[in-house]
Amino acid sequence: EPEVTQTPSHQVTQMGQEVILRCVPISNHLYFYWYRQILGQKVEFLVSFYNNEISEKSEIFDDQFSVERPDGSNFTLKIRSTKLEDSAMYFCASSERGASGNTIYFGEGSWLTVV
Amino acid sequence: AQKVTQAQTEISVVEKEDVTLDCVYETRDTTYYLFWYKQPPSGELVFLIRRNSFDEQNEISGRYSWNFQKSTSSFNFTITASQVVDSAVYFCALSRETSGSRLTFGEGTQLTVNP
Repeated sequence: EPEVTQTPSHQVTQMGQEVILRCVPISNHLYFYWYRQILGQKVEFLVSFYNNEISEKSEIFDDQFSVERPDGSNFTLKIRSTKLEDSAMYFCASSERGASGNTIYFGEGSWLTVV
Repeated sequence: AQKVTQAQTEISVVEKEDVTLDCVYETRDTTYYLFWYKQPPSGELVFLIRRNSFDEQNEISGRYSWNFQKSTSSFNFTITASQVVDSAVYFCALSRETSGSRLTFGEGTQLTVNP
């Protein structure tokens, strides 16, 4: 069954460093997302991406964050100048267009630890 | 604004007991989607069900059933004859009808099924 894949599964980085989290969405999906879950808390929306541009972003998604679809398969989240509070599980997700476009499928997550 | 409330933070049951997880939502939209996701200890988010707001029929899938009551803005999830493998955090979520809309998650309910 098609699935969203994410790399790395776990990354430890020094405060102030830049991090890139990578994702391969399900191949026929057109909407891509990043969500974040701080340990023990609920899952929070960061950004959605469609037709090569950001379609929606939350107040969390400030200038520190950026997303990119560098080729036909990858979708990346870049976090510049990481802070301790950026430590979280980051989930990539994707969905189809149309009637099924509201069902969002998640990857297994990338656990980011900022030290 | 959309909001999802899962008032039960933790539930503990003994195997084979039935358990109901509550979900109450708020939205100004007349049409919307409701979801349940499972997050096992391994951390991934597993899609369980999507329900459109105009379809109030209850749904059963094996040991899982969902009770959607638009009049009380609730979308409760029942596991019949619970098993140890059901132990996980369960999230209820809400989205707008439009394809590509963000999910708004509840705080989650930690379900522990003891042998």
